[in-house]
Amino acid sequence: DIQMTQSPSSLSASVGDSVTVTCRASQSIGSYLNWYQLKPGTAPKVLIYAASTLEDGVSSRFSGSGSGTEFTLTISSLQPEDFATYCCQQSFMTPYTFGQGTKLEIK
Amino acid sequence: QVQLQESGPRLVKPSGTLSLTCAVYGGPVRNNNWWTWVRQPPGKGLEWIGEVYHTGSSNYNPSLKSRVTISVEVSKNQFSLRLTSVTAADTALYYCGRRDPGFYYYLDVWGKGTTVTVSS
Repeated sequence: DIQMTQSPSSLSASVGDSVTVTCRASQSIGSYLNWYQLKPGTAPKVLIYAASTLEDGVSSRFSGSGSGTEFTLTISSLQPEDFATYCCQQSFMTPYTFGQGTKLEIK
Repeated sequence: QVQLQESGPRLVKPSGTLSLTCAVYGGPVRNNNWWTWVRQPPGKGLEWIGEVYHTGSSNYNPSLKSRVTISVEVSKNQFSLRLTSVTAADTALYYCGRRDPGFYYYLDVWGKGTTVTVSS
């Protein structure tokens, strides 16, 4: 299986800050990397797919980059609704695997 | 706009069978999508369980393959998960999802999830 290693596991930031989350794959996955936002009691939401493509309706404050084995998710100008858990997923090959998640908390 | 809703028993006894259903609203399950199950054990990351197409074709995580069946019921516009011989390790938040039919296989629609506890 392809292992996805996400860092950091948690992050504290203030409204208005910018933050970056990193996801590393154990082998090259091209651009088959997706980012999701998870909040308790709600359906997870895809933010970015194909490493850098913003899903329709998602704020442009979210951006993704990378290819091969290293990827980043950047959230600029943090808003209160952005404090959540963020998770990467490789969709290069089955079993599709996820990172452990990064919990973004308000400082 | 497609919405998904998981349902099923919240408590399953060890060695029993976990059965969940995902109802699809706002669109036909008989569409060009793969329908997916994902779970998240307490304190752990997400785990892809498997997926099914409306024709019945399926793909499973090898770690669960001997115990899992995902099926689709076109007439009821839903799909289901069946996991046999469960243990405490199968306690998790279970999500159903829809895989985008495009080239990058991401999950573009998810349910809110349902918690299943395996305990006697």
